[in-house]
This record gives sequence, C-alpha cells and structure tokens, in this order.
Amino acid sequence: SYQLTQPPSVSVSPGQTARITCSGDALPIQFAYWYQQKPGQAPLLLIYKDTERPSGVPERFSGSSSGTIHTLIISGVQAGDEADYYCQSADSSSTYVVFGGGTKLTVL
Amino acid sequence: DVQMFEFGGALVKPGGSLRLSCSASGLTLNDAWMSWVRQAPGKGLEWICRTRSKIDGGTTDFAAPVKGRFTISRDDSKNTLYLQMSGLKVEDTGVYYCTQFDFWGRGTLVTVSS
Repeated sequence: SYQLTQPPSVSVSPGQTARITCSGDALPIQFAYWYQQKPGQAPLLLIYKDTERPSGVPERFSGSSSGTIHTLIISGVQAGDEADYYCQSADSSSTYVVFGGGTKLTVL
Repeated sequence: DVQMFEFGGALVKPGGSLRLSCSASGLTLNDAWMSWVRQAPGKGLEWICRTRSKIDGGTTDFAAPVKGRFTISRDDSKNTLYLQMSGLKVEDTGVYYCTQFDFWGRGTLVTVSS
C-alpha cells in the first residue's frame, strides 16, 4: 500500500527554522496537506494544496514541493509550535487518502 | 464558522458492532467529500474511509484494514454522517474523527476490549 514517509522527530532552537519533510512516490502528481496536532487536540490544517495557507494560520508556516519530497517550513519557531505534524496526500489513482507517520517537533 | 461533532463512541467487545454519528453546523454534509480518520492511542492519524459529495456520486472508498467491516452513509434530512462498524477488533480502538480536512471535530473514543 502507498506510504508517505516523515522523520519521526525534528528538534530546533527558538527562533530558528524547522523543516519537516514528507516523501512519497505520488507526490509529483498529488497535492500535499499539512496538519499540526497538539496533545489532546484535533488536527489543525496548516497548509493545503502544497503551498496554500488557510486564513488564520501564521505566515511563519509555509510549504514547498520538489518532486517526491514536500516540506513544511516553520520560520521563527516558537515554544508553542511544539506539536506533532502530519503530511497527507493521496495515492496515484486518487482512491486512497494517506497520512505520513507524523513528526514530533521539539523546541529546545 | 464550521463545527463538526462526532458521537457514539463506546466500549465494545471484540466482534461487536457500533455506529458513530457526525453532525455539522455551517456545512451541508452532502455537499462535501467527508472522511473518517482514526487515531489509536499514542499513534498517528489513519484515514479509514470517505464518501464523495452527492453531486459527485456519493461513492465510497475504504482503507484495507476496515474494508468489508465498515460502511459509511448519510442522512441528508438530519445533515448527519454515519460510520457503521462491525466485526470490531482490538486494533480498531482509537479516537474517530469525521472531517473534510479543513475542519475537524473533537472526535469520539471507541474502545474494543473484552
């Protein structure tokens, strides 16, 4: 079955830039979406269609794509950004929705 | 603002059945592609099924772990989405969310245990 691969963890110091990658064979032809989830809370959509940001999401959050690797970029990381981050996309036939395994962001 | 509400989660024995419900305010569910996503305790998000909007045919897709055991349906008069689960397994335990991905509810907890 189709899989999206994320690093299990990323650590950055406050004020630095965090980059969380998501790799998958179908990503050149499928959009990626990114979610933030804090403990005990529902996921929050951060980025849709690779690079678009919903209203209310800070500009510090951005997305980029390059072939089979998409990246969530968090600029000027703050302590409150500590959370789990998930990418989501679809298989090449657009039949199945798939989530990456999630990346735990630690702010040092 | 759109708000989603899931309910119906419970403690069920292995092999049992359960129906989850999802209602929404600010969103007409039959106009949206709606998915159910679950999260096992301490684990990541797992997409399990989807129904397309009525105008797109209302067809459904299911992930392999639940195919043949779970069904998804709507009651347009009540603006409610349902997830009917049967043949429940211990590994079906988790918080179940209904979502069209822009908006998420708080989820409802399903525990499958003897």
